[in-house]
Amino acid sequence: RKEVEQDPGPFNVPEGATVAFNCTYSNSASQSFFWYRQDCRKEPKLLMSVYSSGNEDGRFTAQLNRASQYISLLIRDSKLSDSATYLCVVNTHSDQAGTALIFGKGTTLSVSS
Amino acid sequence: GAGVSQSPRYKVAKRGQDVALRCDPISGHVSLFWYQQALGQGPEFLTYFQNEAQLDKSGLPSDRFFAERPEGSVSTLKIQRTQQEDSAVYLCASSLSGVNTIYFGEGSWLTVV
Repeated sequence: RKEVEQDPGPFNVPEGATVAFNCTYSNSASQSFFWYRQDCRKEPKLLMSVYSSGNEDGRFTAQLNRASQYISLLIRDSKLSDSATYLCVVNTHSDQAGTALIFGKGTTLSVSS
Repeated sequence: GAGVSQSPRYKVAKRGQDVALRCDPISGHVSLFWYQQALGQGPEFLTYFQNEAQLDKSGLPSDRFFAERPEGSVSTLKIQRTQQEDSAVYLCASSLSGVNTIYFGEGSWLTVV
């Protein structure tokens, strides 16, 4: 089982739609959680960290459920510019990964007019 | 420049050739990471440095892969006797310390023919 799993996608939505991405992680000892955004042929960039209490940044809301080992990202009022791949990322303190981040495969979002 | 710089941006290598990929992190960043991203996949951790010390190399896929950061700044990822399955984007990232805010370079796109 992969350490970080995401919805396969792609998600094709019209402008203005609300879309949610889900992610699960396997290591219960994981400490930190993030969503990264990656545009086509570009490097990943941090979108937002995910906190246990849930956090919001404008149209983006991230939530963490430690008991279920589940992370979500909600995007409201989708814009064309939101089209990208969204990567779920976990800091897994395991012997195998050390202090590095473990990335999911990513979910592709395409917003159309 | 202010960001993480990688070179070459694009490299085509013949199978069996050795390649060297360079990463110039953001000035003052202690932590440096190398990731490999195959087409349609998320970045996969390769190795991690804190200053000049390579603290984790558990992600290196074989002994053909070698990374160094001799003076705690610039890092080089070397791949010996390249094979087709090595074709991927090699991403370098750096952070002041740890993983909470890491910045990626644009990547070195390697194609082995």
